Amino acid sequence: EAGVAQSPRYKIIEKRQSVAFWCNPISGHATLYWYQQILGQGPKLLIQFQNNGVVDDSQLPKDRFSAERLKGVDSTLKIQPAKLEDSAVYLCASSGRSYGYTFGSGTRLTVV
Amino acid sequence: QQQVKQSPQSLIVQKGGISIINCAYENTAFDYFPWYQQFPGKGPALLIAIRPDVSEKKEGRFTISFNKSAKQFSLHIMDSQPGDSATYFCAARISGSARQLTFGSGTQLTVLP
Repeated sequence: EAGVAQSPRYKIIEKRQSVAFWCNPISGHATLYWYQQILGQGPKLLIQFQNNGVVDDSQLPKDRFSAERLKGVDSTLKIQPAKLEDSAVYLCASSGRSYGYTFGSGTRLTVV
Repeated sequence: QQQVKQSPQSLIVQKGGISIINCAYENTAFDYFPWYQQFPGKGPALLIAIRPDVSEKKEGRFTISFNKSAKQFSLHIMDSQPGDSATYFCAARISGSARQLTFGSGTQLTVLP
């Protein structure tokens, strides 16, 4: 099966600019997650979708971050405006009936 | 209470040696404990996982040991190889939750040739 696709792989923006990341999960996986991984740390959950509904967005900084999953398939995560501390790798993962996640390769964001 | 504490932060092992990474948790509602392996520029990949009703699970050179009473679990890599050099994350999932995983802070393993 094809893996979780993410784009772009890298992005460099200036602070206060906006940026968007895209994720296409494994076909048939109903659950989609966005994680933020700061250098040297473990992934931290930002938001979880079940089909096209939000299950948990309690750790999403909603004043600047937004995410959507239209039609219950692919998803976009947006940051507007970006701050220096948003520099991180943004990982998308999906899961089906099993417990395990499949992660994409991530988008490395650098805010300067 | 949802934290998973991982140690050591970094580990250097000679080829053929045993690598041991430890994790501890407080929340007794965790019911699934996976380990993920991450290479530079890649997303984490599931390596091996265990449920708390067993004390040990082995897959090839990788073994999870689980101590429910101590609320600790560890990853053992036998006959460590340079190709095992990566960052390893332990994780845990709360029973009945929407499959959310809480990750440890990671261990950077270097296996010297």
